[in-house]
Amino acid sequence: TQLLEQSPQFLSIQEGENLTVYCNSSSVFSSLQWYRQEPGEGPVLLVTVVTGGEVKKLKRLTFQFGDARKDSSLHITAAQPGDTGLYLCAGSVYGGSQGNLIFGKGTKLSVKP
Amino acid sequence: DAGVTQSPTHLIKTRGQQVTLRCSPKSGHDTVSWYQQALGQGPQFIFQYYEEEERQRGNFPDRFSGHQFPNYSSELNVNALLLGDSALYLCASGRWGEEETQYFGPGTRLLVL
Repeated sequence: TQLLEQSPQFLSIQEGENLTVYCNSSSVFSSLQWYRQEPGEGPVLLVTVVTGGEVKKLKRLTFQFGDARKDSSLHITAAQPGDTGLYLCAGSVYGGSQGNLIFGKGTKLSVKP
Repeated sequence: DAGVTQSPTHLIKTRGQQVTLRCSPKSGHDTVSWYQQALGQGPQFIFQYYEEEERQRGNFPDRFSGHQFPNYSSELNVNALLLGDSALYLCASGRWGEEETQYFGPGTRLLVL
């Protein structure tokens, strides 16, 4: 059974602070996606990383895929209250179709003004 | 360009009843996947449809069934509802054979009493 472990589970910080969220597994993934989810809504895709060691930047968000394709991190610089939400990582398994995403439990981020 | 749409937004049922949830994929997408997200958890993969056939299935009982129509829209049916079926049901669409990325709808919140 493939599992994605996310840490920390909860994070409460002040506006302007930096933070990093981790997503780890013992399994190898062909790609990994990061989503943000607001309460009562569906997850919104932030980024997909495909190549081991890949780094992608989206404004103040930096995503990294581990060299071995087993882990990923999301770093937010100078967090803002608008960054508040549930951050989910999801992996696609080698040999599987795109339909079978395995999700972590998420990191609930609260950024206080 | 409409994104993924789902109906209804909320639903209340009693144990033993049956429910049908509906999803229309994003324009240009031909695959639909269904996920169940319990409170405080990440989404769990139920199944994926492509070309009107179930292509992959997660660890869900036969009470969960689905259908895809020629216009790519999809239905999720759950029979003999249990209290534990209360969750947010998410539909995600994508393109078969392309980047392993899915776009989610807003979800249907199902409460079983």
